[in-house]
Amino acid sequence: QQPVQSPQAVILREGEDAVINCSSSKALYSVHWYRQKHGEAPVFLMILLKGGEQKGHEKISASFNEKKQQSSLYLTASQLSYSGTYFCGTEETGAQKLVFGQGTRLTINP
Amino acid sequence: GAVVSQHPSWVICKSGTSVKIECRSLDFQATTMFWYRQFPKQSLMLMATSNEGSKATYEQGVEKDKFLINHASLTLSTLTVTSAHPEDSSFYICSAPGRNDEQYFGPGTRLTVT
Repeated sequence: QQPVQSPQAVILREGEDAVINCSSSKALYSVHWYRQKHGEAPVFLMILLKGGEQKGHEKISASFNEKKQQSSLYLTASQLSYSGTYFCGTEETGAQKLVFGQGTRLTINP
Repeated sequence: GAVVSQHPSWVICKSGTSVKIECRSLDFQATTMFWYRQFPKQSLMLMATSNEGSKATYEQGVEKDKFLINHASLTLSTLTVTSAHPEDSSFYICSAPGRNDEQYFGPGTRLTVT
């Protein structure tokens, strides 16, 4: 079942923060986050496996709620290079495959 | 990180012909690879799971006789679009799982059927 991402699109000025949400109606085994730039393949950002987990790298971080049905991606002090479409990919227990959300288009303006 | 390549990067073919797309894991072995299709401004839709040494697992609604998948070795999976039609025009992307279940995507193949 496809997870629901929100918002569908965000426009920011450089230096502003953004939050992208990903929700599932079922408890998940894992949540993956990817960024895709136009005409290119998605690039892996991070994976969350445990309820209540939070992890990050530099100014991009993510959380996975205790019930493992909702994840959020946090972009802090956004840079121009953060522009692109962000996808969450969710894996249900036993499924061994990812189902991707519809994507969130992030535009960073100078 | 792990590298996955795809060939060709783009292909234009005539309606009714077949097209083969290759997906290779360059510096690691992959017993499983995944094939996705992405239409413009849409999400990645999983078409099938390619399994080395056994039959591929197709998602609901994907015609296995039209989209032939072969996982000939631990580093190569191929997708053949048979009897291609204009509605098959899309961006086809493969991926392979890394050690920690993260997916490494190939650069994609843009197929245009005229």
